[in-house]
Amino acid sequence: GIQVEQSPPDLILQEGANSTLRCNFSDSVNNLQWFHQNPWGQLINLFYIPSGTKQNGRLSATTVATERYSLLYISSSQTTDSGVYFCAVEGDAGNMLTFGGGTRLMVKP
Amino acid sequence: DAGVTQSPTHLIKTRGQHVTLRCSPISGHKSVSWYQQVLGQGPQFIFQYYEKEERGRGNFPDRFSARQFPNYSSELNVNALLLGDSALYLCASSSWDGNTEAFFGQGTRLTVV
Repeated sequence: GIQVEQSPPDLILQEGANSTLRCNFSDSVNNLQWFHQNPWGQLINLFYIPSGTKQNGRLSATTVATERYSLLYISSSQTTDSGVYFCAVEGDAGNMLTFGGGTRLMVKP
Repeated sequence: DAGVTQSPTHLIKTRGQHVTLRCSPISGHKSVSWYQQVLGQGPQFIFQYYEKEERGRGNFPDRFSARQFPNYSSELNVNALLLGDSALYLCASSSWDGNTEAFFGQGTRLTVV
């Protein structure tokens, strides 16, 4: 099956800093999503981005499908950005999301 | 509009028992999927149902089963619980009408003792 790798696994930032999270995947995908998991376990949708670039406030994402990677940019980080960020992809089979191992982000005040 | 709702939010069961978890999708969504997330890992796919038929199954034993009802809600059943079944169980819904974006519920945290 499709493999998804996220880097870095852990990230500590000072409030106000910028960061880039990376997601590499091993095969062509129909769907790619970025999620933020809060401390209570809820997966919050950030981006649905099988290709191209999207922006939402301080967050933006870029997926280069031909090179099999996606990047999530967080600018001017805030303590509320802390949590785990997951990349998940849906392969050609089209019926399941395969998640990466996540990036655990801690933003210090 | 209500999002994906799951019940119960927390559950404690004894080894060998059976458990039923429930999920109601976003109104208008016909696809429901179940995922298991153990501590420190990303969610793992268990099942997908669309229009009341199983469309995909992950690498889980036959103790795990699911079904989808005419109103598109779903149940996940786990028999003969093991300690290793302790996890956060997540339900996702999607419209699956050309857009497969998945939206997740808050999860059911199952503890097996």
